[in-house]
Amino acid sequence: SYVLTQPPSVSVAPGQTASIICGGNNIGSKSVHWYQQKPGQAPVLVVYDDSVRPSGIPERFSGSNSGNTATLTISRVEAGDEADYYCQVWDSSSDHWVFGGGTKLTVL
Amino acid sequence: QVQLVQSGSELKKPGASVKVSCKASGYTFTSYAMNWVRQAPGQGLEWMGWINTNTGNPAYAQGFTGRFVFSLDTSVTTAYLQISSLKAEDTAVYYCARALGPVKGFDPWGQGTLVTVSS
Repeated sequence: SYVLTQPPSVSVAPGQTASIICGGNNIGSKSVHWYQQKPGQAPVLVVYDDSVRPSGIPERFSGSNSGNTATLTISRVEAGDEADYYCQVWDSSSDHWVFGGGTKLTVL
Repeated sequence: QVQLVQSGSELKKPGASVKVSCKASGYTFTSYAMNWVRQAPGQGLEWMGWINTNTGNPAYAQGFTGRFVFSLDTSVTTAYLQISSLKAEDTAVYYCARALGPVKGFDPWGQGTLVTVSS
């Protein structure tokens, strides 16, 4: 089955840029979606189809995808961005959705 | 606005069954597939499967066959997740989530339903 690999944690100072990576075999050929989950809350879609922001999501959130790595980039990080972030793809070989293990973003 | 509202927390004994509901509003219910996702305490997201809201046909992920059943009542725009023969390891938050499209992301998600299995 398809595996998505994320670093367990990323730390960044306020105002800086956070990059959260999601690794997978030839992930660049798939559409990657990203979710933000704050403690005690449901996940929220922040980027879909690699780089598209849903309405209401700040422009500070952006995504890219190429080769074996997809990246969620958060510019001008704020304290309110502290959350767990998950990547997701559709694995057509198994007809399964797959989530990465999640990355905890800490704002220092 | 598009919204999914789930039923409240449940405390069940091992061996019992539970049925979680997910009430959809603000869109055409039968136009979007509904997915179910499990999150065990302190763990990540695990996709359980989905149900075609147009045909009622469910599809279950590996590990979620047998005791897990997805169903619909389109007359009240509600999806259901039933889990039978509950085990302690079924303790988790269960989310419903609308798929934007065939390979699109999930948006929105329900608020989650905590199912606790304990004797």
